[in-house]
Amino acid sequence: DAGVIQSPRHEVTEMGQEVTLRCKPISGHDYLFWYRQTMMRGLELLIYFNNNVPIDDSGMPEDRFSAKMPNASFSTLKIQPSEPRDSAVYFCASSLDRGAVETQYFGPGTRLLVL
Amino acid sequence: AQKITQTQPGMFVQEKEAVTLDCTYDTSDQSYGLFWYKQPSSGEMIFLIYQGSYDEQNATEGRYSLNFQKARKSANLVISASQLGDSAMYFCAMTHTGANSKLTFGKGITLSVRP
Repeated sequence: DAGVIQSPRHEVTEMGQEVTLRCKPISGHDYLFWYRQTMMRGLELLIYFNNNVPIDDSGMPEDRFSAKMPNASFSTLKIQPSEPRDSAVYFCASSLDRGAVETQYFGPGTRLLVL
Repeated sequence: AQKITQTQPGMFVQEKEAVTLDCTYDTSDQSYGLFWYKQPSSGEMIFLIYQGSYDEQNATEGRYSLNFQKARKSANLVISASQLGDSAMYFCAMTHTGANSKLTFGKGITLSVRP
């Protein structure tokens, strides 16, 4: 089975531009998570969805960030306008929902550089 | 609130020897899960091992085992017979069941395996 798929793998953009990151979770997984990794803050959760519904977006830095999950097989994280401090690796992860603790499987990440 | 502490700044181990990576956690919940992930220099997050809070046996997965001491709130990762490919960053993380299922990560430990 395919794992979590993210695109693009690398993105270089200029400050002020819109950036869209994409994620396809593992088929059958009900949870989808967006994490950000930086040297200063480590790995932090931005937002997560359960059955396409956003459950907790308290980690989203500010209004410039938005995330959607229009269907069970696709999610986007959008930054508009982007700033240099948004430079980071953005991971998408997914897991099952069987009413117990489940393992989250990560995609390869999108390495974003905002100039 | 959940908290994961990984205080070892960096670890070195000789090839074929065993190494223990420390992790302590803090939570007031009774049901939770503990995870270890590996992040090689290529950047992906690879799931290694999982321990449930109610599991009586320590988890094992091949050369990886988790030394779970619930009363001490520690979940140390033991890697036996280290290989050069084990050189990576290792993250301890925890999550809970259901609506609070986001992962909380430690800051990670760098492991270097010497030939």
